Amino acid sequence: EVQLVESGGGLVQPGGSLRLSCAASGFIFSSYEMNWVRQAPGKGLEWVSYISPSGSTIYYADSVKGRFTISRDNAKNLLYLQMNSLRAEDTAVYYCARIDFGSDDYWGQGTLVTVSS
Amino acid sequence: QSALTQPASVSGSPGQSITISCKGTSSDVGSYNLVSWYQQHPGKAPKLMIYEVTKRPSGISNRFSGSKSGNTASLTISGLQAEDEADYYCCSYAGSRNLGVFGGGTKLTVL
Repeated sequence: EVQLVESGGGLVQPGGSLRLSCAASGFIFSSYEMNWVRQAPGKGLEWVSYISPSGSTIYYADSVKGRFTISRDNAKNLLYLQMNSLRAEDTAVYYCARIDFGSDDYWGQGTLVTVSS
Repeated sequence: QSALTQPASVSGSPGQSITISCKGTSSDVGSYNLVSWYQQHPGKAPKLMIYEVTKRPSGISNRFSGSKSGNTASLTISGLQAEDEADYYCCSYAGSRNLGVFGGGTKLTVL
């Protein structure tokens, strides 16, 4: 059974940093593209970042470019999102997701990041 | 990449049919048959309902169907049931150098 479990969310002050992790199991992690998608309270979904199976190709939304870094450790089946210079508008539930625009679509339960003083 | 355009809300009575539209551009919806639809209940992760415009994942009721015309994709739910009340999001592939793009979401109310 495919499982994605996020961790690392919490309360952080504006300008602060946080690192999210996503533990993957039930599939060959190193073979799949992975993503981070976020959802601000009461708002819609926003695709934040994408990483290829090897980690060689990475994309970011304009809203986080230069502040967030996606990475992965295929030996440990872990996906990361390093978030720096956090702003109030980064407050959201962050989902780790395996999305391929086909039927193989899996999401974690999400982890809440709150940026507030 | 701009979000796809969906109506903020739709409603219908049990047993009726509703359709949710998702307007994109020639750079996303119009160029690829890679449109997905997600259902999201409060406090839950999104659940895939339709992929590749018209296909249903295993276990999804055939009351859910998808279509596309030009730059606009649509999700139709027939025989509305109370448990269909949720938020629905469309999502489109937008090219190999871009992230996918979501719609703003549509709240479905079953009256």
